Amino acid sequence: GAGVSQSPSNKVTEKGKDVELRCDPISGHTALYWYRQSLGQGLEFLIYFQGNSAPDKSGLPSDRFSAERTGGSVSTLTIQRTQQEDSAVYLCASSQGQNYGYTFGSGTRLTVV
Amino acid sequence: AQSVSQHNHHVILSEAASLELGCNYSYGGTVNLFWYVQYPGQHLQLLLKYFSGDPLVKGIKGFEAEFIKSKFSFNLRKPSVQWSDTAEYFCAVLEGSARQLTFGSGTQLTVLP
Repeated sequence: GAGVSQSPSNKVTEKGKDVELRCDPISGHTALYWYRQSLGQGLEFLIYFQGNSAPDKSGLPSDRFSAERTGGSVSTLTIQRTQQEDSAVYLCASSQGQNYGYTFGSGTRLTVV
Repeated sequence: AQSVSQHNHHVILSEAASLELGCNYSYGGTVNLFWYVQYPGQHLQLLLKYFSGDPLVKGIKGFEAEFIKSKFSFNLRKPSVQWSDTAEYFCAVLEGSARQLTFGSGTQLTVLP
């Protein structure tokens, strides 16, 4: 597609449940990023994929968070045993490289009740 | 770890007023600098970027930003704002060796008609 696609756009889940968030980047973009945007706060880096290299997981807040990128394209962010503090907008972005800036998706708004 | 500071959390202006949004970063080495904008209900979009060369960069919709290395600043400016500029503005920094952007906490701009 023309842009970065994220699904679902909204997700309400009960505390303790697992959730999966999907990101479909722009075709040909080798870099893929996940960020989290909480109310009144900036964007918090979560994880970065570049080609076939090992992902940079340094931003993942706990071991309940994991992500994978299959075939160098679609990525899934999984949050296990969700907590209320996980409520946020999860943003995915892709890029052709560091000098090109990011193209962001519309995000998934996660609400944990 | 570097940080990015946007000291103005909420700015309210009348149409035709001039705008300047502050952005300061802490990293002392080579940086690439970005401003992103998020209009209500839309995804983040790149407004402008600086990599090298002329420290005054021009972006879309009449925005510009000036990189002042001695002040570690990359302030965003627009001579005359419009109601349609109402949005949240994020400054972001990529240090020389980093692989992901570090974002500021954002500035909400409200332009009154």
